[in-house]
Amino acid sequence: EAQLVESGGGSVQPGGSLRLSCAASGFIFSTYEMNWVRQAPGKGLEWVSWISSSGRDIYYADSVKGRFTISRDNAKSSFYLQMNSLRAEDTALYYCARGHLEREVVTGAFDIWGQGAMVTVSS
Amino acid sequence: DIQMTQSPSSLSASVGDRVTITCWASQSIGNYLNWYQQKPGKVPELLIYFASSLQSGVPSRFSGSGSGTDFTLTISSLQPEDFATYYCQESYSTPLTFGQGTKLEMK
Repeated sequence: EAQLVESGGGSVQPGGSLRLSCAASGFIFSTYEMNWVRQAPGKGLEWVSWISSSGRDIYYADSVKGRFTISRDNAKSSFYLQMNSLRAEDTALYYCARGHLEREVVTGAFDIWGQGAMVTVSS
Repeated sequence: DIQMTQSPSSLSASVGDRVTITCWASQSIGNYLNWYQQKPGKVPELLIYFASSLQSGVPSRFSGSGSGTDFTLTISSLQPEDFATYYCQESYSTPLTFGQGTKLEMK
C-alpha cells in the first residue's frame, strides 16, 4: 500500500527555520512527482511546492519563493521542505502529496497524502 | 496566476439529494481540473481528475464534468458519509491553485 509519512513539524519563532521530511513506501518513489500542500487552521488548501521525479525541476508558490527549498533523495525514497525565515502566516498543517499518474500520464492531481506535519510560527 | 472560484461556499442538503458544486477558472484550463473531498480532521482524498475521470475506489455516485473554465462536481444521491468539504484544483499551470472550498452540511 502506498504511504507517505511526514516528520519535522513543530513550533518556531518568527524568522526561524524548520525542515520537514516525507518518507514514502509502497511505490516506486523515483517515478513520481511530489508536492507540499498546506492548510492553515480552519482554512482551505494551498499548494506550496512541486518537484519533478528526477529532482531537476522545481516550482514554488509566490508566498514561499526565496524562503522555502524543496529537495528529494530517491535512494532514500524521501523528500524534504527546508523552511527558512518563517512567518506567522506560514502556520499550517503541511501535507506531502504524491503527483497522480494515470497510465504513466501526469494528471497534476494529488492521489496519496501524508497525515500532515503541524508547523506553528509564533513568538 | 489562475484563480479558481467555487460556488456555493456552503450548502445544506439531505440524504438522497442530488447535489451540484460549481468551479470556475479565471482562464481556460482545458480539462486540467481535479476534485477532492476532505472530512473534518482528515486528509483530503482525490475524487475526480481530468475533470471527469473517477479515481479508483471512489463511488460512482460522484461525477465530474466541464472543460475550459466551467466545471461541476455532482453527487447523484447524497449519502451520510458525503457530508464534507469539497475542493477543486487546477493542474494546468503553476502555481497549482485550489478553490476556496464548498462545505456540504446536513439539512
